Amino acid sequence: GAGVSQSPSNKVTEKGKDVELRCDPISGHTALYWYRQRLGQGLEFLIYFQGNSAPDKSGLPSDRFSAERTGESVSTLTIQRTQQEDSAVYLCASSRTGIRQPQHFGDGTRLSIL
Amino acid sequence: QQQVKQSPQSLIVQKGGISIINCAYENTAFDYFPWYQQFPGKGPALLIAIRPDVSEKKEGRFTISFNKSAKQFSLHIMDSQPGDSATYFCAASLQGGKLIFGQGTELSVKP
Repeated sequence: GAGVSQSPSNKVTEKGKDVELRCDPISGHTALYWYRQRLGQGLEFLIYFQGNSAPDKSGLPSDRFSAERTGESVSTLTIQRTQQEDSAVYLCASSRTGIRQPQHFGDGTRLSIL
Repeated sequence: QQQVKQSPQSLIVQKGGISIINCAYENTAFDYFPWYQQFPGKGPALLIAIRPDVSEKKEGRFTISFNKSAKQFSLHIMDSQPGDSATYFCAASLQGGKLIFGQGTELSVKP
C-alpha cells in the first residue's frame, strides 16, 4: 500500500480484556516499530523489528505487552489483561532499514480501557 | 541520559513570523535527529532530519540548526502560516533506529 496501515483505528474495551492491534508496513520496509502516545505526551518506544534479527523489546512496559512480526510484513501488538493506564494511541512506523532512515507512521489505534 | 528535552510546550506566532522550537540531549551517542509534525488524529510525519556532522540543514521554510558542543538542536519555521499549526516533536536515535522523542510543542499560527 501507499502508507503504513493500522487497524482498528479505534478500540474500546473493558479492563481485564485482551486486545490485539495490527500494523501493515510499507512494502519493502524491513524495519518496523511500535510506539505509544499518551494524551498530550510525546511518543514512547515499545518494540523494534529489523529483518530476521531478534526484536528490541526494551521499551515494553510490562510482560502483559507482546508483539510479533511475520517475516517483513504484518505485525501485531497484543496487550493482555488491559488496565486503564494502557489507554493511549498506539502508533506503528516502518522504514527501509533500521539505521538513520526516515520512519513513516500510520495514524495509530486509539485504545480506550473502560 | 536517554531523554530529549523540548521547549517551549506551546507557542503562538503571528502569520509571517518565525517559529523556533528547541531541543537538548545528553547522550552523545545519538547519531540522527529528525523533526516530526503531527496534526490531530494523524500519525507524525517527518519534516526534516539532520546528522551530527552537519551544523545546519534547510528544506524550504524549515531549517534545523545543530550545536554539537552544546548538545542542542532547534527547528526554525520561516514565514509561519496558519497551516503550520500543529504539534512538533524533535527526536534522536541511536544506531539501530529506535527514536527517543521530546514531549512536543503545540504551535498555533494566528492569521
